[in-house]
Amino acid sequence: GQQLNQSPQSMFIQEGEDVSMNCTSSSIFNTWLWYKQDPGEGPVLLIALYKAGELTSNGRLTAQFGITRKDSFLNISASIPSDVGIYFCAGRAGANSKLTFGKGITLSVRP
Amino acid sequence: KAGVTQTPRYLIKTRGQQVTLSCSPISGHRSVSWYQQTPGQGLQFLFEYFSETQRNKGNFPGRFSGRQFSNSRSEMNVSTLELGDSALYLCASSFTGDEQFFGPGTRLTVL
Repeated sequence: GQQLNQSPQSMFIQEGEDVSMNCTSSSIFNTWLWYKQDPGEGPVLLIALYKAGELTSNGRLTAQFGITRKDSFLNISASIPSDVGIYFCAGRAGANSKLTFGKGITLSVRP
Repeated sequence: KAGVTQTPRYLIKTRGQQVTLSCSPISGHRSVSWYQQTPGQGLQFLFEYFSETQRNKGNFPGRFSGRQFSNSRSEMNVSTLELGDSALYLCASSFTGDEQFFGPGTRLTVL
């Protein structure tokens, strides 16, 4: 079945640093989404991407839909303590397909 | 617009019992998806309902079932509970199935 790969499982950065995460798949997706989950809460949608090559920003967050449609990247610039959480990528292959999630990356930010 | 609501937020059951969880989607959203989240396993897809029809189904045993009502509200039921069913159950709603918005989840503990 379709799988999304996110690694590493955990990332540790210093406050103020930039961080990049990527998400890869062996299958093509037509939609890529990035979510952030805080402890005890449901995931919150950060950015949605619909077109290969698309680059979209949301404040300090920037995400890109890979040209091959098999990957996506999320960049967080000038990290702050509230960026701590689990970041999930998700992809959808077609109109009636389910949304497939990666296993997530836990981000820790040292003050 | 009110967000996705899930009830109850917390539930404790014993093995062998059954449980019903409820999800009210964002007004106007026709798609409701359910996920099981456990530490280390990420978000496991259970099923998706769209306009009262099950559109997609994950790889869970038949003990897990769901339904959607004409007002788009959805319920999921787990029968003959097992210890391994302890998890955070998340519901997400979407207009088309792409951008999914999550509720806070129901934390189920099976003793």
